[in-house]
Amino acid sequence: DAGITQSPRYKITETGRQVTLMCHQTWSHSYMFWYRQDLGHGLRLIYYSAAADITDKGEVPDGYVVSRSKTENFPLTLESATRSQTSVYFCASAKGVNQPQHFGDGTRLSIL
Amino acid sequence: GQQVMQIPQYQHVQEGEDFTTYCNSSTTLSNIQWYKQRPGGHPVFLIQLVKSGEVKKQKRLTFQFGEAKKNSSLHITATQTTDVGTYFCAETSGTYKYIFGTGTRLKVLA
Repeated sequence: DAGITQSPRYKITETGRQVTLMCHQTWSHSYMFWYRQDLGHGLRLIYYSAAADITDKGEVPDGYVVSRSKTENFPLTLESATRSQTSVYFCASAKGVNQPQHFGDGTRLSIL
Repeated sequence: GQQVMQIPQYQHVQEGEDFTTYCNSSTTLSNIQWYKQRPGGHPVFLIQLVKSGEVKKQKRLTFQFGEAKKNSSLHITATQTTDVGTYFCAETSGTYKYIFGTGTRLKVLA
């Protein structure tokens, strides 16, 4: 979907570094989400947001920080990256509660 | 907490055979969504079921929601190579916190 973009698409970094993954949507959707996808675990929710300045923890929030100062942006920061955070990260947005989610193309993050 | 079990984890079928994946919950679901993720791609929304016993069709795909709203299934008739991918169910239980099943990876052998 062209309306939601993630950057970078690929990132390699070292343990202990801070990393920020960007997510931008052009639909003005209220809800935004961050997931990580690992083999055998499907999609696990990290953080979600119902509107600007409203964020909440998902299933696996430890080690991650989010912010949402503007409706269209929802960056995810790994404050001190660990190898266990190597994963594919997807950002998604939805118009409202129980509405379909629209996913970005993902960021493949490797932490050495 | 909420948990959605999806079976099978993997399925290999010959092209032309049928395929079914099941999504089960121990609690009553308010609704269920289905997504497809092609290899190397991102999840794409397929359909949402809301009513007890609901059945919806999209060409060769048939989606069902159980009478007790605790399970759902996706059935593909006469699979094609374009059906390859991972199929996920997701539930929200009336909140905006989506919980995804672990997915069923479908491989279609030509």
